[in-house]
Formats: sequence, C-alpha cells, structure tokens
Amino acid sequence: GAGVSQSPSNKVTEKGKDVELRCDPISGHTALYWYRQSLGQGLEFLIYFQGNSAPDKSGLPSDRFSAERTGGSVSTLTIQRTQQEDSAVYLCASSTPPGTGGAAFFGQGTRLTVV
Amino acid sequence: EDQVTQSPEALRLQEGESSSLNCSYTVSGLRGLFWYRQDPGKGPEFLFTLYSAGEEKEKERLKATLTKKESFLHITAPKPEDSATYLCAVHPTGGGNKLTFGTGTQLKVEL
Repeated sequence: GAGVSQSPSNKVTEKGKDVELRCDPISGHTALYWYRQSLGQGLEFLIYFQGNSAPDKSGLPSDRFSAERTGGSVSTLTIQRTQQEDSAVYLCASSTPPGTGGAAFFGQGTRLTVV
Repeated sequence: EDQVTQSPEALRLQEGESSSLNCSYTVSGLRGLFWYRQDPGKGPEFLFTLYSAGEEKEKERLKATLTKKESFLHITAPKPEDSATYLCAVHPTGGGNKLTFGTGTQLKVEL
C-alpha cells in the first residue's frame, strides 16, 4: 500500500484479555517503530525493528508487552493480560534506515480501550 | 537524558495572524529533528526533517528553522485548515534508535 496500515482501528477489550495489534509498513521500509500515545501525553517509544537486527525493546513498559516482525515486513504488537492503564492509541511508523536520513511515517493508529 | 520541550502548549490565532511555535531540545548529539502535524483521531503526518544548525525548510505557509538548541516552526498567514497539533521529535546520535517527541503545540486558527 501507499502508507502504513494498522488494524484494527479501534479495539475494546476486557481487563485481563490478550490483544494483538497489526502494522503493515510502507513497502521497502526496513525500519519499523511502535509508539503509544495516551490522552494529553507525548508519544512514548515502545520498540524498534531494523532489518534482521535484534529489536530495540528498551521502551516496552512490562513483560506483558511483546512484538514481532515477520519476514521483515508486517509487525504484531501483543499485550497480554491487559490492564486499564494500557488504554491508549498505539501508533506504528516505518522509515528507511535512520542513517539514510529517512523520516518516520505513521499509520492512523489503533485506539485500545480496556474496560 | 534527551529532552524535547514545546511551547506554547496551545495557541489561538486569527486567520492571517502569523506566529511561531518553539521546540527546545537537549541531546548529546543530533542526528535529525522532525516536525509532524497531527489531526484529531489520526496519526502524525510528516512535515520536515532538519539536520544541522542554520538549516531551513519550507512548505506552503510553514517554515522550519534549526539552531543548536531549538527549532521554530513559523506559520505565515495561517488558515483554519492549519489547525492541528504540531509535534517536534529528535533523533539523537547517542540515543539508540528511538525518536524522542515533545508533547506538542495545539494550534487553532479562527476566521
């Protein structure tokens, strides 16, 4: 596709359930980011993938959060045993490798509500 | 620790009233500074990348400038459709791979 695609656009889940969020990056972009945006807050870095390198997981808030990227393209962010504080908009972005000066292009986000 | 501070938090302008948004940053070294526009319910939309002090970029009514400590987003003769939240982000040289974002300036342009 022409841009970064995220699904679902909205997700309501019960506390304690697991959720999976999907990101389809721009074709040819080797770098992929996940960010979280809570109401009135800035974007919080979660995880970064670059090609076949080990991901930078330094922003994941707890071991309930995990992400994978299959075949260097589609990525899935999984949140296990969801809590109310996980409610936020989860944003995915892709770019050419940072050293090439590429900007990150964002998807529309997945709005997660934990009830 | 890398920090990005944007000011003001909110700005209300009349159509045609030019102004500037500020992004102050503290990083050990700067690989790049990015400006984004975000409309309600949507993801951030890329506007500009700046790499070194003195650099300027322009797009329609927007112009971004960069110094060693801050960046400005100048809005000339704004229109209501320029209303949005403007986000600044830095990519530090020593900060791994993450972009560090400010909390944004919410701009409203009224007729």
